[in-house]
Amino acid sequence: NAGVTQTPKFQVLKTGQSMTLQCAQDMNHEYMSWYRQDPGMGLRLIHYSVGAGITDQGEVPNGYNVSRSTTEDFPLRLLSAAPSQTSVYFCASSLDHNSPLHFGNGTRLTVT
Amino acid sequence: KQEVTQIPAALSVPEGENLVLNCSFTDSAIYNLQWFRQDPGKGLTSLLLIQSSQREQTSGRLNASLDKSSGRSTLYIAASQPGDSATYLCARVGTYKYIFGTGTRLKVLA
Repeated sequence: NAGVTQTPKFQVLKTGQSMTLQCAQDMNHEYMSWYRQDPGMGLRLIHYSVGAGITDQGEVPNGYNVSRSTTEDFPLRLLSAAPSQTSVYFCASSLDHNSPLHFGNGTRLTVT
Repeated sequence: KQEVTQIPAALSVPEGENLVLNCSFTDSAIYNLQWFRQDPGKGLTSLLLIQSSQREQTSGRLNASLDKSSGRSTLYIAASQPGDSATYLCARVGTYKYIFGTGTRLKVLA
């Protein structure tokens, strides 16, 4: 039982490049979400999904896209990377909003 | 704007001490309050979840309480150990939206 798996662990991008951060869970969780963690800012919600085909915006959605075609996968796309998107990104999932939230180990992204 | 505040930001204690971490939130319309632990370079691990109808939850040496009316939760750690050193975060949970505090960085000295 792998839990929540994020790839890659580290990534360096140049300004303007695009990329996809991958997230997969094997717990049959309906709820999945993406956060970014910045020093002094805590974790901020980017996008979330309550099931396949359903996504919604969080607190800081600009510059990011998501889709949820399967229960297991919830990729996060950066359309045109900017230095302000340098951060640590976490994917998390839970059965529902009254169940514990499970986190992946994060992706450290640097945009130069 | 909904906010979650954690005090203190950092704490250093000798091994064996009992300690209390505080979490306050501005909107009492919550589903639950969750406490997490984060080790350096790692993701968050769920410690305790308190439903909005509950007053407290216990797991081993950890006890978390919730007072919705005052917008406060506390995490009590009994007989602290060096292995408890980590950052502890609380999250206020609304309808599928989790609002996190910035955490308390705890160091337990041997």
